[in-house]
Amino acid sequence: QVQLQESGPGLVKPSQTLSLTCSVSGGSITSDSYYWSWIRQPAGKGLEWIGRMYVTGDSHYNPSLKSRVTISIDTSKNQFSLKLGSVTAADTAVYYCARDAPQQDTLTQNYYYYNMDVWGQGTTVTVSS
Amino acid sequence: QSVLTQPPSASGTPGQRVTISCSGSSSNIGSNPVNWYQQLPGSAPKLLIYSTNQRPSGVPDRFSGSKSGTSASLAISGLQSEDEADYYCAAWDDSLNGSGVFGTGTKVTVL
Repeated sequence: QVQLQESGPGLVKPSQTLSLTCSVSGGSITSDSYYWSWIRQPAGKGLEWIGRMYVTGDSHYNPSLKSRVTISIDTSKNQFSLKLGSVTAADTAVYYCARDAPQQDTLTQNYYYYNMDVWGQGTTVTVSS
Repeated sequence: QSVLTQPPSASGTPGQRVTISCSGSSSNIGSNPVNWYQQLPGSAPKLLIYSTNQRPSGVPDRFSGSKSGTSASLAISGLQSEDEADYYCAAWDDSLNGSGVFGTGTKVTVL
């Protein structure tokens, strides 16, 4: 059973780069056909999708964050990472990594993504000087 | 910012049926399947419904999803105390080269 675990600094200074890693255990990050995703949630607020990457390098990002975000995969370490540049207090949040699995749409029979079926426990990142 | 709109709260007594709405547009709910996530206090979200109306293994059948046009709904029948949580709808948005979007979230309270 695949498990995900986020790790990284809990405190980042304004204007610096936030860097987080998600370690995948119980399965290979290259197996099957998954995207590997990041989602965040400010305290007391809703979920915000950050982006995702496939092992081939195919990626999608939230347009509002795209200019500052990079997601990468390290197959040798079975982990993927998030880098968010030029952070401000507004980037303070719980950051989750998640696996995005393909599912079949019952209406069209086509396979589609954006099904986060396995989540890490989340890690809190505070942006403050 | 969320592009899928949900009511901030919903409530019911044990055994009642509660429905949560999710309003979107032609580029997201109108074009793609809808998922629902349940987030218990202090926990990570959990996939509750996928492909608009399918339940992952282990999700009770009292949770059901539906969609009509650019709106979707989650129904909880036979409400139980353990259902008290935040619920989020989600769908892929085909605009701007594609992006995932979540709903604003609904807090369900069991009275």
